[in-house]
Amino acid sequence: GAVVSQHPSWVICKSGTSVKIECRSLDFQATTMFWYRQFPKQSLMLMATSNEGSKATYEQGVEKDKFLINHASLTLSTLTVTSAHPEDSSFYICSSTGTSGSVLMGEQFFGPGTRLTVL
Amino acid sequence: SQQGEEDPQALSIQEGENATMNCSYKTSINNLQWYRQNSGRGLVHLILIRSNEREKHSGRLRVTLDTSKKSSSLLITASRAADTASYFCATRSNTGKLIFGQGTTLQVKP
Repeated sequence: GAVVSQHPSWVICKSGTSVKIECRSLDFQATTMFWYRQFPKQSLMLMATSNEGSKATYEQGVEKDKFLINHASLTLSTLTVTSAHPEDSSFYICSSTGTSGSVLMGEQFFGPGTRLTVL
Repeated sequence: SQQGEEDPQALSIQEGENATMNCSYKTSINNLQWYRQNSGRGLVHLILIRSNEREKHSGRLRVTLDTSKKSSSLLITASRAADTASYFCATRSNTGKLIFGQGTTLQVKP
């Protein structure tokens, strides 16, 4: 299957700082990438859908100015948590679908996740 | 919003036993997928069942889909300690987004 990587795998930062998380599709081109957050012992909550070359679409309740998403190329999307606070501590996971498959029917490939801890 | 509900929330069984997890959803779907997540890790795709399919097998996994009841089940036969993980069902909305259920945490005791 296709491989999606995330960097860093974990990060600890001070409150008020910004943190950037990268999501890369390693062996395929991803026109669409999805960003999720997951609190301990809970399910994944979709934060936003990112399409290459256009603005991300955010889910209701997700602050776009706080969670900046950039999808500048077909293999890279970034999520920047700006002015992070302890309540932003979570597990952030990206996923993507390839260009060849229909986003409606195809499989999504998930990254390994990034654990963010804000002190 | 999350539309998948799963039960049980937690399941503990002995190695060798079968594990059954159920998922219900609210809206019409194109397909339903099951994923596994080991603690602190990303998701691994297990199986996809399309809306016109009723049952699908993959190794020790058996998935059923009942669109009239808007429900699906995942059966893991002859479970192993390595099957210990959280299992999520996910449905795809008409905009392509995956909506995840709350998940079932499975513990298989050796």
